[in-house]
This record gives sequence, C-alpha cells and structure tokens, in this order.
Amino acid sequence: QVQLVQSGAEVKKPGASVKISCKASGSFFTTYYIHWVRQAPGQGLEWMGLIYPRGDKTLYAQKFQGRVTVTSDTSTSTVYMELSSLRSEDTAVYYCAGAPRSTPDVWFDPWGQGTLVTVSS
Amino acid sequence: DIQMTQSPSSLSASVGDRVTITCRASQSINSYLNWYQQKPGKAPKLLIYGASVLQSGVPSRFSGSGSGTDFTLTISSLQPEDFATYYCQQSYSSWITFGQGTRLEIK
Repeated sequence: QVQLVQSGAEVKKPGASVKISCKASGSFFTTYYIHWVRQAPGQGLEWMGLIYPRGDKTLYAQKFQGRVTVTSDTSTSTVYMELSSLRSEDTAVYYCAGAPRSTPDVWFDPWGQGTLVTVSS
Repeated sequence: DIQMTQSPSSLSASVGDRVTITCRASQSINSYLNWYQQKPGKAPKLLIYGASVLQSGVPSRFSGSGSGTDFTLTISSLQPEDFATYYCQQSYSSWITFGQGTRLEIK
C-alpha cells in the first residue's frame, strides 16, 4: 500500500523560507506525480504545483511562481517543497498528494497527513 | 485558470436524506472532474474520479454525474459519517483548481 509521510509542523518568521518533506513508500516514484496542495485555516484547498520525481519535471501555479521550488531525491523516495519569502497569509496546512501517471485525468490519492506551517513574528 | 463554483456553500440535512451538490466549471472540462470528502483535521479523501467513477472502497450511496461544465455529487441516503466538507477539482487544465467547498451539516 502506497503511503506518503510528511515532516512535522514548522513555525517561521515573515520573510523566512520553509522546506517540507514528503516520503513515499513502495514503488511510488515510477508511477506517480507528486502534487502540493495547501489549506489556510478555515479555507478551501489550493493547488501549488507538481513534480514527476523520476524526471524532475515540475509545474507551478502562477500564484507561487518564483517563491516555490519542488525537488525530489530518488535515493530516499522523498519529495521536498520549499516556499520562500513567507508572509502571514502562508499560514496553512500543506499536503503532498500522489496522482497516477497512467491517466490524463489527475486525481489525488493517496495524500500525506499534512504539515502545519505557521508564519508569525 | 478554470474557475470551479460549488453550490450550495453549506447544507443542512438529516440522516437518510438524499443530497445533491453541484459543481460548475467556467469552461468545458469534459469529464475531468473529481470529488473529495474532507473531515476536520484530516486530509481529503478521493470519492469519485472521471466525473462518475467510484473510487475503490467508497460506499455505493455516493455517485457522480455530468460532463462539460455542470457536475453533481449525490449521496443517496445520508449516514452519520457523511457529514463533512466536499470539494470538486478539475484536471482538464494542467493548472489544477478546486471548488470552494460545500459544508454538509447535521440538521
């Protein structure tokens, strides 16, 4: 069974960067894209970007272009999402989610457990 | 970006009720529409993909329909565990977007 396990909660000051990890089990990297989705407190889901871990293909939402970087380490089956120039509005739970490569449709399953990032001075 | 609009934003219903949630896309997305259920403090759970295909393990009381711009999620007979927030998501565009969510509450 494929699982995604994320790193723990972070507290950062405005202007800082945060780097969250998402570790996959199984033969995930050859068959899935990894996406990042965030959810501000009491708000809806917001797609941030994706990576195909084996090929390093990335795509980012325009809103986050220039501030987000998603990378992968195939040796440890881990994907990283780094968000820079943090502001209070970036306070949210950040999820990684897998999307199968085998279909042009993109649905998210499985999901990581989420990582709370709090931006506060 | 393709805008996804769900209605209603919130809904009160009773156990046993039949409930329908609507999702409208700002342009045609064929059948590239997926539905998720999210409970407080938990990650979203995939219910339906490709507009109408039930994800493995999801109860058959959930169903999805639609194509083009208009889609529906129907719960045929609400169970206590179904009270949650529901989101639609399009993948017609490489830039994924979600609906704003529909909160389903107990009446």
